[in-house]
Amino acid sequence: EIVLTQSPGTLSSSPGERATLSCRASQSVTARSLAWYQQKPGQPPRLVIYGISSRATGIPDRFSGSGSGTDFTLTISRLEPEDFAVYYCQQYGYSPFSFGPGTKVNIK
Amino acid sequence: QVQLVESGGGVVQPGGSLRLSCVASGFTFSMFGMHWVRQSPGKGLEWVSFIQYGGSEIYYADSVKGRLTISRDDSKNTLYLRMNNLRREDTAVYYCATSVVAAATVVVPWGQGALVTVSS
Repeated sequence: EIVLTQSPGTLSSSPGERATLSCRASQSVTARSLAWYQQKPGQPPRLVIYGISSRATGIPDRFSGSGSGTDFTLTISRLEPEDFAVYYCQQYGYSPFSFGPGTKVNIK
Repeated sequence: QVQLVESGGGVVQPGGSLRLSCVASGFTFSMFGMHWVRQSPGKGLEWVSFIQYGGSEIYYADSVKGRLTISRDDSKNTLYLRMNNLRREDTAVYYCATSVVAAATVVVPWGQGALVTVSS
């Protein structure tokens, strides 16, 4: 079973700042099967990044994903007010298709 | 309109049963694997189960194995989750979602979910 850890647990930032979120896997993620989701209060999760670095349709280019093996990063180049949310990573290469515990990005 | 709509949630006593449904529209449901994911109140996302297109592969989280059963009816564009012997810790919003690999073809937004409350 692949266990995902995310850091930091909470990131306090201001609009316009760069945000860097980390996701680490307990073993190598296969076939680039790493995704990131955004969730706002009272809403379902929304796919942001799949295949480590591919933006889902409709996701602005200030979001980017990178990494390989066991270490992955979601970067938001300039935070907009609508970006403040919880972000989850997920590996979908092997069952169980685990999620990380999430990083909350809040306004400083 | 590309969408998933869950239904069938409710309040059930411990040991009881429910069946959730997820109706898909706006895309070719039969072509994609489907997941159930749940979220307990105030908590993170927990993957529950997956069924491949055609039903050829099925997987479950250890926490639900033997109690929850995933299935699909491609003629009705519907995914199901049969939930038996429910426990208080199964209380959550249950979401259905397409396999992430579908995103290269079509991004299907998650539905609003179905709330299952297990309480006496």
